[in-house]
Amino acid sequence: EVQLVESGGGVVQPGGSLRLSCAVSGFSASTLYMTWVRQAPGKGLEWVSLIERDMTLHYADSVKGRFIISRDSSRNTVYLQMNSLRAEDTAVYYCARGIPGYASGSRFDDWGQGTLVTVSA
Amino acid sequence: QSVLTQPPSASGAPGQTVTISCSGGASNIGDNPVNWYQQLPGSAPKLLLYGGGQRPSGVPARFSGSQSATSASLAISGLQSDDEGDYYCAAWDDTLSGVLFGGGTKLTVL
Repeated sequence: EVQLVESGGGVVQPGGSLRLSCAVSGFSASTLYMTWVRQAPGKGLEWVSLIERDMTLHYADSVKGRFIISRDSSRNTVYLQMNSLRAEDTAVYYCARGIPGYASGSRFDDWGQGTLVTVSA
Repeated sequence: QSVLTQPPSASGAPGQTVTISCSGGASNIGDNPVNWYQQLPGSAPKLLLYGGGQRPSGVPARFSGSQSATSASLAISGLQSDDEGDYYCAAWDDTLSGVLFGGGTKLTVL
């Protein structure tokens, strides 16, 4: 059974840092592209970052230079290191998995339940 | 502001058909497949349609989609109260080298 479990969310002050984890099971995260998508309270989905199978990284302009996506194949886990956090980064962060045979794309077959990040003084 | 444009709301009575549009450009919908996601209240998003109109296993045939030029659409027939939620289109954008989501359409079953 495919599972994605996010963790690491919480309350952080503006300018602070947080690292989110997405532990996956039922498949190898290194064989698919993986992504982070966020949803601010009461708002729509916003794509954040994507890591390809070959470790090519992609970022939304809103987080470029502040967030870093990475993957640990030995732990079958994808991470999102978030630095210089702002109030507008407050959101539920979801990780999701791509599909075999493609380097990247907007098709995400399975999603985690999300983890809430609140940036507030 | 989303580059993929969806109507903010849609509604229909039980049993009726509702259509949700998604308009983009040459670098996204015009060059890449559109995927649709359903987000029911309090839940994570779920893949509803991929490749413009293909249904993953378990998605009822009531859900259908199409894609042409720089637009796509999602049609839901035989509306049910359980269909109430938010619907998002998504596509890869070649210029941005990233994923675009539409702003989302809130579906209400009257």
